[in-house]
Amino acid sequence: GQQVMQIPQYQHVQEGEDFTTYCNSSTTLSNIQWYKQRPGGHPVFLIQLVKSGEVKKQKRLTFQFGEAKKNSSLHITATQTTDVGTYFCAAQPGGGSEKLVFGKGTKLTVNP
Amino acid sequence: DSGVTQTPKHLITATGQRVTLRCSPRSGDLSVYWYQQSLDQGLQFLIQYYNGEERAKGNILERFSAQQFPDLHSELNLSSLELGDSALYFCASRGPSDRQQYFGPGTRLTVT
Repeated sequence: GQQVMQIPQYQHVQEGEDFTTYCNSSTTLSNIQWYKQRPGGHPVFLIQLVKSGEVKKQKRLTFQFGEAKKNSSLHITATQTTDVGTYFCAAQPGGGSEKLVFGKGTKLTVNP
Repeated sequence: DSGVTQTPKHLITATGQRVTLRCSPRSGDLSVYWYQQSLDQGLQFLIQYYNGEERAKGNILERFSAQQFPDLHSELNLSSLELGDSALYFCASRGPSDRQQYFGPGTRLTVT
């Protein structure tokens, strides 16, 4: 079935450093969503990307959807301790399916 | 607070037993999704219901079943429990005009 590969699995950064997580699919995606899960919490929606080559920004977070709609990235500029958590990409395969296929997530820790 | 509630928060039971997890979606949301989150597998989609009908199925074991009731709450039944079923079980709901899923706080199941 549909698989979404996400790397890296873990990332440790010093506060103020940048962070990027990548998501790849072998098939073309209808759209891709990003979620953040704080330690001990539940996934919380961040954004959805739909268009080929789309770039969206939320303050220090930049989200990109590849031209072929097979990959996506989340970049955080100048990380803060509040950015700690696991970031998941979630792909909607298309063909009318409403299910989301989640990547395994990137766990981000930030050293103050 | 996402507006999605799940009970119980924690559940400890023995192998071979059967448990029921309950989810109440946000008011007005017709879609309910169930996910299993374990350390090595990330977030795995189990099943989706829409207005009482099964809409999509993921990697749900035959020992697991779910249903959505007329008041739109949903229950996930897990039977013949095995040690490997220990995980966090999340329910999520989505409204007809929403892009994202709203996750509940989860039920942590421990099978001993």
